[in-house]
Amino acid sequence: EAGVVQSPRYKIIEKKQPVAFWCNPISGHNTLYWYLQNLGQGPELLIRYENEEAVDDSQLPKDRFSAERLKGVDSTLKIQPAELGDSAVYLCASSLATSGGGDTQYFGPGTRLTVL
Amino acid sequence: AQSVTQLDSQVPVFEEAPVELRCNYSSSVSVYLFWYVQYPNQGLQLLLKYLSGSTLVKGINGFEAEFNKSQTSFHLRKPSVHISDTAEYFCAVSVMKTSYDKVIFGPGTSLSVIP
Repeated sequence: EAGVVQSPRYKIIEKKQPVAFWCNPISGHNTLYWYLQNLGQGPELLIRYENEEAVDDSQLPKDRFSAERLKGVDSTLKIQPAELGDSAVYLCASSLATSGGGDTQYFGPGTRLTVL
Repeated sequence: AQSVTQLDSQVPVFEEAPVELRCNYSSSVSVYLFWYVQYPNQGLQLLLKYLSGSTLVKGINGFEAEFNKSQTSFHLRKPSVHISDTAEYFCAVSVMKTSYDKVIFGPGTSLSVIP
């Protein structure tokens, strides 16, 4: 079974440029997460989808970040315009949500963004 | 609000020695607890998790963790480490919201196994 796929793996851009990241979750997983991971820190949730619905986007900086999950499968995270402080690893994860919680999240390898 | 503390940012240990990685959490409600491992240039993968029942949880690669409710801890242990255990380890806590659970990750502990 294929894992969570992310692309690109690495991206270098200049500040003020736009950038987009793509994620394909594990087949059948209804829940998709985007995390931000700064160097030496744990992942921080940016947005969580249940199917097509964003159920938690409270930590997403909506002035420059946007996300979509069309048809409840693939997802795209966009930054426009990028700032120097956006340099980090962007992780995508998916899970098969159950009503009781405690679900295992399956992570992709991440996209390492460098903003110059 | 929930939070996770991993007191040791770096833990060096010799090969075949035992190791304990500490995790403490704060929450006023019942939680689920997780340990994830991240190898270099890879995403996180689940080592083990506590949902309910026995407080001693066994995971992959010989790791185990014990849930201590009174001390709000979930320390990870392995009796004999291998070079391949060198990685970043993240403790996480999740709490049920209205219709889903919110997961909070700790800052991580970098385990370095010395030959």
